[in-house]
Amino acid sequence: GQNIDQPTEMTATEGAIVQINCTYQTSGFNGLFWYQQHAGEAPTFLSYNVLDGLEEKGRFSSFLSRSKGYSYLLLKELQMKDSASYLCAVRGQGGKLIFGQGTELSVKP
Amino acid sequence: GAVVSQHPSWVICKSGTSVKIECRSLDFQATTMFWYRQFPKQSLMLMATSNEGSKATYEQGVEKDKFLINHASLTLSTLTVTSAHPEDSSFYICSAMASSGRVGEQYFGPGTRLTVT
Repeated sequence: GQNIDQPTEMTATEGAIVQINCTYQTSGFNGLFWYQQHAGEAPTFLSYNVLDGLEEKGRFSSFLSRSKGYSYLLLKELQMKDSASYLCAVRGQGGKLIFGQGTELSVKP
Repeated sequence: GAVVSQHPSWVICKSGTSVKIECRSLDFQATTMFWYRQFPKQSLMLMATSNEGSKATYEQGVEKDKFLINHASLTLSTLTVTSAHPEDSSFYICSAMASSGRVGEQYFGPGTRLTVT
């Protein structure tokens, strides 16, 4: 079966660092994606990992361990505009993306 | 960059009517498009995979006779919600997978908010 788990919600302070974890058990694996989604809008791409290790892109970094079925998204120097839902998604066979339930991040001043 | 459009962006319809939603890849070809549904405060749920020139593949639990998908060209897929009911009210999002250039990259449309009264 397919199972992707991430915390439902998190709260952090402006300027701080936050790590959002994602664990997965899927029948196929062709990469893991992180998306940001603001209410009422479509998801926007943040990062993609297919090999183990850390991918850094500005204030956002994403890590993958395929043997552990684990990934995290790290957000540094948090800004108020980073308040959003963060979606972990695994790409399986045929390019299908299976999404986790999303983590609602609230950034407070 | 790759752009995917959806039309309409929102629609209100009466119970029992049908609604068609279009998904277009504007500057790239997409042999495969995906349709998702998202209820409030929930994540995206894959409904079906749409392949150009062939029948769509539906996920378990999704009624193919209720959610008609047509992928007639490399840049257009349509989702028709037939005999809509209030429980079909949701945010419908499509994505298109590039078949040239950055092959395999998936780009999301802006979504269509459907409200059935």
